[in-house]
Amino acid sequence: SQTIHQWPATLVQPVGSPLSLECTVEGTSNPNLYWYRQAAGRGLQLLFYSVGIGQISSEVPQNLSASRPQDRQFILSSKKLLLSDSGFYLCAWDRTLLEAFFGQGTRLTVV
Amino acid sequence: QKEVEQNSGPLSVPEGAIASLNCTYSDRGSQSFFWYRQYSGKSPELIMSIYSNGDKEDGRFTAQLNKASQYVSLLIRDSQPSDSATYLCAVKERGAQKLVFGQGTRLTINP
Repeated sequence: SQTIHQWPATLVQPVGSPLSLECTVEGTSNPNLYWYRQAAGRGLQLLFYSVGIGQISSEVPQNLSASRPQDRQFILSSKKLLLSDSGFYLCAWDRTLLEAFFGQGTRLTVV
Repeated sequence: QKEVEQNSGPLSVPEGAIASLNCTYSDRGSQSFFWYRQYSGKSPELIMSIYSNGDKEDGRFTAQLNKASQYVSLLIRDSQPSDSATYLCAVKERGAQKLVFGQGTRLTINP
């Protein structure tokens, strides 16, 4: 069966510090991978999605970047965090036209 | 116009009644439609997927799709307090290979 791992679960980082969130999927190959952000009480904002290694589509101009160095690994990064980067970050995977499954999420607080 | 729209609520329904959640989407070529449930502080979990016009039933849940009207809904029968959560509508756009979410409807079931 397929599983998705996302870590860490919670993170507190100072303004200006770097960020690296990692997501890995097991039990499938060539998944579509997504990074979403959810502000408190709000919906899911699509940040990046990837249909293959090295293929990254950015949805929103921002202080973040994403990379897919391996088929089942998706990384969200920032060189310098802003207060506005705080939120609940969710990684997800799916296959074309089929349902998506989410990791447990990372709650990031920038202080 | 937002790609996927939902009434943010809150929607309050008495226990045992039918809860009706609605969603509209803008891409007429969309082919896959999903309903997710999200408890506070948790990641979304899939409730229903629907791909063709009409109704799809799974236990107390019924998803309804009308592609001509670009409308998808979720009915929850015999609502329980444990159904209190935010319900997210998601649409997979044909060709774009990305999954887009509505802002979610907060549902409260009153005992």
